[in-house]
Amino acid sequence: DQQVKQNSPSLSVQEGRISILNCDYTNSMFDYFLWYKKYPAEGPTFLISISSIKDKNEDGRFTVFLNKSAKHLSLHIVPSQPGDSAVYFCAASARSGGSNYKLTFGKGTLLTVNP
Amino acid sequence: EAQVTQNPRYLITVTGKKLTVTCSQNMNHEYMSWYRQDPGLGLRQIYYSMNVEVTDKGDVPEGYKVSRKEKRNFPLILESPSPNQTSLYFCASSFLGREAYEQYFGPGTRLTVT
Repeated sequence: DQQVKQNSPSLSVQEGRISILNCDYTNSMFDYFLWYKKYPAEGPTFLISISSIKDKNEDGRFTVFLNKSAKHLSLHIVPSQPGDSAVYFCAASARSGGSNYKLTFGKGTLLTVNP
Repeated sequence: EAQVTQNPRYLITVTGKKLTVTCSQNMNHEYMSWYRQDPGLGLRQIYYSMNVEVTDKGDVPEGYKVSRKEKRNFPLILESPSPNQTSLYFCASSFLGREAYEQYFGPGTRLTVT
């Protein structure tokens, strides 16, 4: 049973436009959400996070939105750049539930930004 | 440079031949973890460690062992590898507390068991 779902395996956008990556979760105990970015032949790198007490967190070109009632979060990249081309993983944790820092990851979405 | 290193980066071995994948971090992190990444399954946690001599199972611990004798090192041991352990393995580390969720990952070890 997959608790974190990224239903789009891939997404292609034009440089300068907005990229929107989506993530759904089923476990209502999750209260902290993160996005990781992964280039080929490298490990994932932390990108941005959001706590369940917020509905938006912004860091430069990256914004994460959380809709708790829908159990849905999204990552917006504006404007998209060719260097953003990577696999993006959504991850979640039940921080207040004594999770031992366990992260549950989605399968990832391959973003391609075309020049 | 702050980093998590893994060795080897690539390994092809045969069923039943014991192997160890090393992981080392230079950031004085308390928390370390091993994940495996398989096509269509994302990253799944194998084992984690909250500090020296403190380890516990993740979601898919069968067939693996770990040890944490020093803070910087967290080796992953496959006593008798099998083909279903063919995968891409990542080690990660972080401080405990709020930052623990923002983990630093190593570059990965691609293991093939024939």
